[in-house]
Amino acid sequence: TQLLEQSPQFLSIQEGENLTVYCNSSSVFSSLQWYRQEPGEGPVLLVTVVTGGEVKKLKRLTFQFGDARKDSSLHITAAQPGDTGLYLCAGARAGGSNYKLTFGKGTLLTVNP
Amino acid sequence: NAGVMQNPRHLVRRRGQEARLRCSPMKGHSHVYWYRQLPEEGLKFMVYLQKENIIDESGMPKERFSAEFPKEGPSILRIQQVVRGDSAAYFCASSRQGAMGTDTQYFGPGTRLTVL
Repeated sequence: TQLLEQSPQFLSIQEGENLTVYCNSSSVFSSLQWYRQEPGEGPVLLVTVVTGGEVKKLKRLTFQFGDARKDSSLHITAAQPGDTGLYLCAGARAGGSNYKLTFGKGTLLTVNP
Repeated sequence: NAGVMQNPRHLVRRRGQEARLRCSPMKGHSHVYWYRQLPEEGLKFMVYLQKENIIDESGMPKERFSAEFPKEGPSILRIQQVVRGDSAAYFCASSRQGAMGTDTQYFGPGTRLTVL
């Protein structure tokens, strides 16, 4: 059972378009992190969201944590080829063992020039 | 300020051999986590260690796998008698504290293990 479902699995768009990727679960998380992973490399942290309803902006990237802390979204405005990569969400379960990150399978984004 | 370092980056072993994967956490970090990424799968938690202590190894196979984080030196993930199903990318992460919410796990570049 995949605790964190990411959608879409693959996304190919043209430079300048906007996009949103989703991370959904039936479980509550104490925090949720978004990472970007390049081929052959490890995940690089983009943001951590902690509070239900929280919105964080990182240049053209906007991250939102659902009110119930069960889901999150990543919106990219005016995508650029440099945004190409695998976007992973990872949650820390509420309660004990909150150091165990549960990862989604990722959204593979391709931005074409 | 160096990040999490892992070596080797690529490791090839034949079935039955031993694999040793090393991880040096970020400076000032005393908590280390190992994750495994199988093809077409998300990263899966394996083990959480602090210096000289295994805190949680619930995600690690009971047989052939072991991990340590000695007082001096890097953390080691050891796989004995490797099988083809062990082929995967193994990632190490470190954090300053153990609790999420106020802390963050930073990942290394990974070790790609291929078992022939």
